Amino acid sequence: NAGVTQTPKFQVLKTGQSMTLQCAQDMNHNSMYWYRQDPGMGLRLIYYSASEGTTDKGEVPNGYNVSRLNKREFSLRLESAAPSQTSVYFCASSEINGGADTQYFGPGTRLTVL
Amino acid sequence: GENVEQHPSTLSVQEGDSAVIKCTYSDSASNYFPWYKQELGKGPQLIIDIRSNVGEKKDQRIAVTLNKTAKHFSLHITETQPEDSAVYFCAASIPNSGYSTLTFGKGTMLLVSP
Repeated sequence: NAGVTQTPKFQVLKTGQSMTLQCAQDMNHNSMYWYRQDPGMGLRLIYYSASEGTTDKGEVPNGYNVSRLNKREFSLRLESAAPSQTSVYFCASSEINGGADTQYFGPGTRLTVL
Repeated sequence: GENVEQHPSTLSVQEGDSAVIKCTYSDSASNYFPWYKQELGKGPQLIIDIRSNVGEKKDQRIAVTLNKTAKHFSLHITETQPEDSAVYFCAASIPNSGYSTLTFGKGTMLLVSP
């Protein structure tokens, strides 16, 4: 079991470039999430997908789009990268367990926008 | 929406001492409270969680307490070891029609000196 995997691990972009961050999970979880982590800000939810075929905005969705490709994969796209999107991005997945929402995180993608 | 406050932002202890991290939440509908540990360069990992129908939960050197009336919960680590050094995040979850999202605190950096 690999758990949650993310690619790439590191990326440097120039302002205005686009890219897609990939995430996959092999735990047969229904829900998947994208967070960004900035110093002193904790983890902030960008988008989530409660189940295959659905996506919803989180706390900080501006400048991002997502695609739930199938039950395993959930991608995050930056159409026109800005320096404010320099951050560490984490993907997570969960299966409802008695009403709890135990989330399992990937190793992260470190993105720098110049 | 939910708001989670976490204190302190940094905590330094000597090996063998106890460490306590406190969180408060705003929404009384929150019913699930996980704690995550994040080591440098890695994604957060769940270390313990508690649900609203329980007041305390222990797992070896780690315990979590919940006071629903005051809307606060705490992480207690006893007999700290250098490998406990990491950033710790609390979170709160509000259930919503079969799925839920987590709101995280801003994190506490715990440093355990030998």
